[in-house]
Amino acid sequence: LAKTTQPISMDSYEGQEVNITCSHNNIATNDYITWYQQFPSQGPRFIIQGYKTKVTNEVASLFIPADRKSSTLSLPRVSLSDTAVYYCLVGEGDMRFGAGTRLTVKP
Amino acid sequence: EPEVTQTPSHQVTQMGQEVILRCVPISNHLYFYWYRQILGQKVEFLVSFYNNEISEKSEIFDDQFSVERPDGSNFTLKIRSTKLEDSAMYFCASSERPQGIGETQYFGPGTRLLVL
Repeated sequence: LAKTTQPISMDSYEGQEVNITCSHNNIATNDYITWYQQFPSQGPRFIIQGYKTKVTNEVASLFIPADRKSSTLSLPRVSLSDTAVYYCLVGEGDMRFGAGTRLTVKP
Repeated sequence: EPEVTQTPSHQVTQMGQEVILRCVPISNHLYFYWYRQILGQKVEFLVSFYNNEISEKSEIFDDQFSVERPDGSNFTLKIRSTKLEDSAMYFCASSERPQGIGETQYFGPGTRLLVL
């Protein structure tokens, strides 16, 4: 499984766009990139998954450059309820979570 | 939307006692998982289960742990003799296919286990 590196924490304000970047230099050819969100005392929740270029859904966008050694989760116009920990996972098989990025959205 | 359910939501037990945590995965899912999260720490993989067998387990999943799918709907995690350090939130997850291309895992709400 590819190792991932994310910022430990980020702060933002309501209404701003938030971009969280994850580095995965050892990503394998078949690996997909998946992002999960976790609120306190809840299980992780799938946000988005991609392989290359750009993926967008109703919640977020995921940008993956051509070399796939990093990816950026973009949350448009965050609200207070987006305060959570965001995890980037890469690869197949059983998921090994890192520490994630703790996003705090302030009013 | 179908969801993974877990019972109980909270459990308090004495050190050395056995506990069984229960999960009902999403009905058409075939792959099942247990994770734990000690307070303030990251989510840790314990075990994956498919076709009535353990597919993979982590170094945490020692002989004190076991998993079972006793019927067509439940998936259980048993801790035979609990230790203080087993206190954590335990999450069950399920997926239709193995984690990988185009697949995601769906997590339950968790069981908070407190060992005294």
